[in-house]
Amino acid sequence: EIVLTQSPATLSLSPGERATLSCRASQRISSCLVWHQQKPGQAPRLLIYHVSNRATGIPDRFSGSGSGTDFTLTISSLEPEDFATYYCQQCTTWPLTFGGGTKVEIK
Amino acid sequence: EVQLVESGGGLEQPGGSLRLSCAASGFTFGDFGMNWVRQAPGKGLEWIAYFSSRGDVTYYADSVKGRFTISRDNAKNSLYLQMNNLRAEDTALYYCVRNEDVGVLDSWGQGVLVTVSS
Repeated sequence: EIVLTQSPATLSLSPGERATLSCRASQRISSCLVWHQQKPGQAPRLLIYHVSNRATGIPDRFSGSGSGTDFTLTISSLEPEDFATYYCQQCTTWPLTFGGGTKVEIK
Repeated sequence: EVQLVESGGGLEQPGGSLRLSCAASGFTFGDFGMNWVRQAPGKGLEWIAYFSSRGDVTYYADSVKGRFTISRDNAKNSLYLQMNNLRAEDTALYYCVRNEDVGVLDSWGQGVLVTVSS
């Protein structure tokens, strides 16, 4: 199975700052890389699919990039509602796998 | 609006069984593959099972293979997860999740809690 490693585990930033989250795969994956956001007490929600496509209703401060084994989620300027945990997920092969998550917390 | 509502969770003893249900609405259920994803308390997300839209393909995580069975009833717009031989490590919030594209998990239910304890 494809193992996804996210870094850092925790990111402490202030509102207005730029957040850069990393997701590294144990083997080369196609463009099937997805990002989900989860707030405390809530279900996850889809943010980005196929590396760089924003899901419906996701603001353009969220962007995804990368290829091969290295992928990045960038939040250009953090809003208060963006403080949450973010998971990458690969959909290239079964079983689907998730990274361990990056928690973006208020500094 | 897509809605996925899970039910059937609760407290069960190790070795016992539970059946989870997911009621879908707001979309043509039979057109989409469906998944179960779980999250142990304070932990990350773990995909555990998939059922294709046509009903011809199922996949399972190794952690549940042989113990859990995913099924669906398109006439009832419902997804199910039969969980047998439950273990303490199956304790988690179980989410019903729609597949927009192969493996792209695009809509999540609110989850149902399963606790396995004696």
